[in-house]
Amino acid sequence: DIQMTQSPSSLSASAGDRVTITCQASQDINKYLNWYQQKPGKAPKLLIYDASNLETGVPSRFSGSGSGTDFTFTISSLQPEDIATYYCQQYDNFPRTFGPGTKVDIK
Amino acid sequence: QVQLQESGPGLVKPSETLSLTCTVSGGSVSSGSYYWSWIRQPPGKGLEWIGYVYYSGSTNYNPSLKSRVTISVDTSKNQFSLKLSSVTAADTAVYYCARGRSTSRYWGQGTLVTVSS
Repeated sequence: DIQMTQSPSSLSASAGDRVTITCQASQDINKYLNWYQQKPGKAPKLLIYDASNLETGVPSRFSGSGSGTDFTFTISSLQPEDIATYYCQQYDNFPRTFGPGTKVDIK
Repeated sequence: QVQLQESGPGLVKPSETLSLTCTVSGGSVSSGSYYWSWIRQPPGKGLEWIGYVYYSGSTNYNPSLKSRVTISVDTSKNQFSLKLSSVTAADTAVYYCARGRSTSRYWGQGTLVTVSS
């Protein structure tokens, strides 16, 4: 299985701050990476696919980059409604695997 | 707009079989364009991919669960189902159904299944 790691595991930032989360795969996954946002009690919501493509309807303050084994997810200006846990997920190989998540909070 | 809804018992006894159904509306499980997946999330923990089914009945399962999992599709009812046998407390989780085997844009709301006697 491809192991996915994320850092940090949690962060606290002020509204308007730039927030960056990293995701690393245990082997080359090309560009086959999704980023999901999950709010408490809700299903995950797709934000980014193919590492850097913004899902339709998702605000442009969210972005993703990277390929191979190292990926970055950025919120350019943190908003109160962005409080959530963010997961990366690879789909280069089966079984599909998720990172452990990064919990984002507002100071 | 595609919608998915999980249904099934919220409490299952240890060693028994967990059975869930996902009903799809606004789309067809018979569409050859999509695969249909199950993902689970233990309370307070991360997401685990369980497997998927195609309308033809072909499947792919997580090796960690393969010996206990069956995912099937019922095109006449526009549903797909999950069966997980010999459950233990470690199988307590919110179970989600979703469309897609790589990128899931549509998810059910999730259903909590607790394994307890």
